[in-house]
Amino acid sequence: AQSVTQLDSQVPVFEEAPVELRCNYSSSVSVYLFWYVQYPNQGLQLLLKYLSGSTLVKGINGFEAEFNKSQTSFHLRKPSVHISDTAEYFCAVTPQTGANNLFFGTGTRLTVIP
Amino acid sequence: GAVVSQHPSRVICKSGTSVKIECRSLDFQATTMFWYRQFPKQSLMLMATSNEGSKATYEQGVEKDKFLINHASLTLSTLTVTSAHPEDSSFYICSARGQGPASYNGYTFGSGTRLTVV
Repeated sequence: AQSVTQLDSQVPVFEEAPVELRCNYSSSVSVYLFWYVQYPNQGLQLLLKYLSGSTLVKGINGFEAEFNKSQTSFHLRKPSVHISDTAEYFCAVTPQTGANNLFFGTGTRLTVIP
Repeated sequence: GAVVSQHPSRVICKSGTSVKIECRSLDFQATTMFWYRQFPKQSLMLMATSNEGSKATYEQGVEKDKFLINHASLTLSTLTVTSAHPEDSSFYICSARGQGPASYNGYTFGSGTRLTVV
């Protein structure tokens, strides 16, 4: 079975400051990892995903994440946030084989303060 | 890129009536559709998984007679909430995946449907 933990339910940060949103996962099999962003009353938009290869993954809107297998983490970072980054962020995993649904974390609400 | 269209975006219905939500993949064939429910300030909870031409697989605790899922074609899946009650009020989101490994096709989400039962 898979599980995803997002330790921070809310992260306030000042505009143009760096941010890190934490994600840890648990799985008995190899997984693919994803970060999604959700704006109010909207669906989810893919920010980035890790499939294989380089552990540093770059995504849209200036976000990047680093896969750390030994720590089973996939933290999301941005060096300088904008007001428009205020949203809910979800980390998710799916097994590389077999079941193909996504397992989501509980989400982190990022609030960028002017 | 892949686009999934979900309609309606908002619906208000009376208690006891049924509501149908549509999810269409516009530029790819969705062999698998996922339906999620999201409560305020919470994560997405998988309700069911449907493969084209097959019966949906429901997650534990989800009433299959209440939440009817039809995936009759490779581009359309529907979720019907039957005899809706106020506790069914929620945000429903569909997600579609094409053929082949998940790594190559990813998951494309609809924009969600806000259901309010009064």
